[in-house]
Amino acid sequence: KAGVTQTPRYLIKTRGQQVTLSCSPISGHRSVSWYQQTPGQGLQFLFEYFSETQRNKGNFPGRFSGRQFSNSRSEMNVSTLELGDSALYLCASSPGPGQGSSHTQYFGPGTRLTVL
Amino acid sequence: AQSVTQPDIHITVSEGASLELRCNYSYGATPYLFWYVQSPGQGLQLLLKYFSGDTLVQGIKGFEAEFKRSQSSFNLRKPSVHWSDAAEYFCAVGPPLNSGGYQKVTFGTGTKLQVIP
Repeated sequence: KAGVTQTPRYLIKTRGQQVTLSCSPISGHRSVSWYQQTPGQGLQFLFEYFSETQRNKGNFPGRFSGRQFSNSRSEMNVSTLELGDSALYLCASSPGPGQGSSHTQYFGPGTRLTVL
Repeated sequence: AQSVTQPDIHITVSEGASLELRCNYSYGATPYLFWYVQSPGQGLQLLLKYFSGDTLVQGIKGFEAEFKRSQSSFNLRKPSVHWSDAAEYFCAVGPPLNSGGYQKVTFGTGTKLQVIP
């Protein structure tokens, strides 16, 4: 099976702009989680989607949003970018509740976002 | 609420030496437990996981971890470290298989491993 893919891999934006990141989970996986990773804060949970519905949300401002499509692909959007949003954004897919190994997450390579 | 503690932020070992990375968790029941490894600028790769059964779990790249319920620990070990093992290691905890719901997986803060020749 193909792994988790994330696009784009690298992105440079300026303050105030918005950005959309994409994640395609492993085939058959229905749950997608997003994480922000920075040297100072480590790995922080953003949100999780299952069956097109947000199931869990981390402690991030409303500028961070996401969605999941019927084919389980997910996007996350950050509006009004700030310098502190510079980070590696990781997507992880898992089978989802009720399925074998439901919480085993498989990560994509990440999108490196730089805000200037 | 579930939590994971990795008490060692940074560890340095000599190539060929043994390795043990510590992980302690807090959870009401026996959760799912995971170890991941991350090379610089890359995503996280699953090393091994524990759900139930044998408390000694074998993973990829020669790693193993032992679940100790009495100590709420899930330490990662490797008998002989290679230079290519230098990376950051994350312990994670998720809800048990029969817990239902959508409780999220919680990650520790990571342990950076440096390997010296």
